[in-house]
This record gives sequence, structure tokens and C-alpha cells, in this order.
Amino acid sequence: EDQVTQSPEALRLQEGESSSLNCSYTVSGLRGLFWYRQDPGKGPEFLFTLYSAGEEKEKERLKATLTKKESFLHITAPKPEDSATYLCAVQAGDYKLSFGAGTTVTVRA
Amino acid sequence: DSGVTQTPKHLITATGQRVTLRCSPRSGDLSVYWYQQSLDQGLQFLIHYYNGEERAKGNILERFSAQQFPDLHSELNLSSLELGDSALYFCASSPVTPNYGYTFGSGTRLTVV
Repeated sequence: EDQVTQSPEALRLQEGESSSLNCSYTVSGLRGLFWYRQDPGKGPEFLFTLYSAGEEKEKERLKATLTKKESFLHITAPKPEDSATYLCAVQAGDYKLSFGAGTTVTVRA
Repeated sequence: DSGVTQTPKHLITATGQRVTLRCSPRSGDLSVYWYQQSLDQGLQFLIHYYNGEERAKGNILERFSAQQFPDLHSELNLSSLELGDSALYFCASSPVTPNYGYTFGSGTRLTVV
């Protein structure tokens, strides 16, 4: 069964303090690795899809990278509006996504 | 607005009751997925429908059922409700393949009392 483990569970940052979130996965035949952002009480919002080791994607202050066993989400010079829970998910042979438990990021001004 | 519409937004009901959650997918999307999110479990896949046909089942209880109608909207039926069924229920949709990710709705918060 697909397994996705995210660390740390929670991350408290000062505004401007860059950091990285980790997503390690075990899946047979990875079709894609997804990153989502979720604000409290709202649905997850799609950020990135990564397909193969070595691939990188960027969006504003966020950069996602992928290796054969894990993915990192780097947050550069975060702002308070980057506070959210970041979810990692993998897609294997069927079309369902298996999600990790998420990392809750709090950025203080 | 993500384009995926879920109703109702909030639902409070008693144990033993039955409820129906509704989802209208984003225009053009043929696939609908249902997920349950509780505090201690994270996002758990329940079921996937594609163009009216069931494609995959996850950890969906026998008390739960779903269907996708010809107009592509979907309903998730939860019966004999228990306190532990209290959670956020999300619907998501995607085109034929979710290579660019699902689009999630804003969810239905179910509280069983």
C-alpha cells in the first residue's frame, strides 16, 4: 500500500526565515507526486505536480523538488500569508491520490 | 471559487440518521473523488467515479455509498451515522487523468451528535 510521511508535523517560522518541508514516500510505480496547500476549514489548493526524480517546480516563494524516495517543499523568505497546512500526495497505478498527514506552517511577522 | 460545488456546507445530525452530500464537479471534468478528513486521520480516499461508473474504492464503510449521475454530479450517502463519522467530507474533480491535480471543493462539515 502507498505510504506518504511528512515531516515535521508543525513548523513555526519568523517572516523571512527560509525552511524546507519533507515528504517521503513508498509507492509502486509512481505516476506523480503532488503538493497542496490547505487553509483551515477550506479545501486543499493544488500547487505542484512532479513526475520524475530531479524535477523541480517553482511558484512565488515555493519550490518543490523530487528524488526517488522523497520530495522537498522549500519556502524562501516566507510571509505570514504563507501560513497554512502543506499536503503531499502520491499517485500510483489508479487515479486516486494518497495523502500524507501534512505539515502545518505558521509564519510570524 | 474552485469550480467544484459542495452542498451543504455544514450539517448537524443525530446518531443513527442518514444524510446525503452533494457535489457538482468543475465544468468538463469527468472524474469525481470523495475524501474524508478527520483530525486524527488526515485525508482518506473513499471512492472514485468516472463518467458515471465506479472506478476505485478506498476505505469506505459499508454504511456509506455514492453514485455519479448522467449530468456528472455526485452524491455521497451516509447512513446509520455514528459519532465517529463526524468529519469534513471533500469532493474533488479532475479531467480524464489528474495529471494536473484534483480540484477540491470547499467541503461539507458533518457533525453527528
